[in-house]
Amino acid sequence: SYVLTQPPSVSVAPGQTARLTCGGNNIGSQSVHWYQQKPGQAPVLVVYDDSDRPSGIPERFSGSNSGNTATLTISRVEAGDEADYYCQVWDSISGQTFVFGTGTKVTVL
Amino acid sequence: QIQLQESGPGLVKPSDTLSLTCAVSGYSISRGNWWGWIRQPPGKGLEWIGYIYFTGSTYYNPSLKSRVTVSIDTSKNQVSLTLSSVAAGDTAVYYCARKGDGSRAWYFDYWGQGALVTVSS
Repeated sequence: SYVLTQPPSVSVAPGQTARLTCGGNNIGSQSVHWYQQKPGQAPVLVVYDDSDRPSGIPERFSGSNSGNTATLTISRVEAGDEADYYCQVWDSISGQTFVFGTGTKVTVL
Repeated sequence: QIQLQESGPGLVKPSDTLSLTCAVSGYSISRGNWWGWIRQPPGKGLEWIGYIYFTGSTYYNPSLKSRVTVSIDTSKNQVSLTLSSVAAGDTAVYYCARKGDGSRAWYFDYWGQGALVTVSS
């Protein structure tokens, strides 16, 4: 089955840029989606199809995807961005399954 | 506004069957879309369980396939999950979610608030 690997944690100072990676075999050939999850809350979609944002998501959230790594970039980080972030793909090859990454905890210093 | 609400017993005994319902409001399931279940053990990451089309077609996580059934009731506008022979490792928050609109939108755009199910005697 397809595996998505994320670093367990990333720390960033307010106003700086956070770059969260999601590694997978030839992930650049797939569409990657990103969710933000704050404690005690359901996940919220923040980026879909590598780099598109749902309505209501700030432009500070952007995404890219190439080769074996997809990246979620959070610019001008705010305290409210502190959360867990998960990447996700739909694996149509292994049996039309949804695959989530291991998750990254973003800490705002 | 589309809303999803999970409900069901919060405590299930080992070897019993877990049953949850997801009531959908603000959107008619009969319009067509895929509806999924995802779970999250305490302090851990997200695990996809399965999903169902409004016609009843289903796909399941291979690791859970032998124990999972997802069903749909268009008359009640709800989706259901059953997980049999549960063990402590099935303790988790269970979420229902809607797949994005469009044949290529393979992500979840609306989520319920989640239901915590604890497996314990």
